[in-house]
Amino acid sequence: AQSVAQPEDQVNVAEGNPLTVKCTYSVSGNPYLFWYVQYPNRGLQFLLKYITGDNLVKGSYGFEAEFNKSQTSFHLKKPSALVSDSALYFCAVRGGIKAAGNKLTFGGGTRVLVKP
Amino acid sequence: EPEVTQTPSHQVTQMGQEVILRCVPISNHLYFYWYRQILGQKVEFLVSFYNNEISEKSEIFDDQFSVERPDGSNFTLKIRSTKLEDSAMYFCASSRQAERRPQHFGDGTRLSIL
Repeated sequence: AQSVAQPEDQVNVAEGNPLTVKCTYSVSGNPYLFWYVQYPNRGLQFLLKYITGDNLVKGSYGFEAEFNKSQTSFHLKKPSALVSDSALYFCAVRGGIKAAGNKLTFGGGTRVLVKP
Repeated sequence: EPEVTQTPSHQVTQMGQEVILRCVPISNHLYFYWYRQILGQKVEFLVSFYNNEISEKSEIFDDQFSVERPDGSNFTLKIRSTKLEDSAMYFCASSRQAERRPQHFGDGTRLSIL
C-alpha cells in the first residue's frame, strides 16, 4: 500500500525567508510524486511533479522540490516566501507500477503561514 | 487556463436522500476521478473512470455510490441513500493521461447531510 507523511501540521515563516514543507512517502516501484496547494474555498491546485530525471524539479510560483530516493522524501521549497504563499499544501504519490493504479494518495496537509 | 468545474458548491441533503454531484472535466482530458475529504482528515480516493467504465475504486466506493458520464462533457457522482458520514468535501479531478500527467482538481462540492 502507498502512503504519504507530512510531519508538520503547520509551518510558520517570515516573509522573505526560505520555506520548506516536508514530505516522505512509501510506494511500490518508482514513485510519481506531486505537490498541490489549496487556498481557502478552492480546490487543489497543481504545483509540480517528479516522474523521472533530475532530482530537483521546478514548479509554479517559484516553488521547487527535491526528490531523495534514499530518504524517500520529496520536500517542497521556496527560497523566499511571500505572504500570498500562505495556504494548505498537500504532497501526493502514486506508484510507478501498473498494479498501483492511477489513484493519488495524499498526505495530511501542511498549513503554511507567512508573516509580513 | 481550462478548469475543472463542479456544481453545486454546497449541497445540503436529508439523510436517506439521493444526491448527484456534477463535474465538467477539462475538455481534452480522458481520465476522471472523484476524491473526498472529510473535515479534518486526508483527501481520499474514491473512484477513477476511463473509456466509460470504472478503472479503479476504493473500499469507500460501495454499492451506494455510482459514477456516470452521461454526455461528452459531464461526469457525475451519485450517492443513492446518503448517510451522516457521507458529509465531506467532494473533489472531481481529470487528467489527459493516467501516468505522467497531473490530475487537475475542481473547487469541490461541500456535501452536508442532516
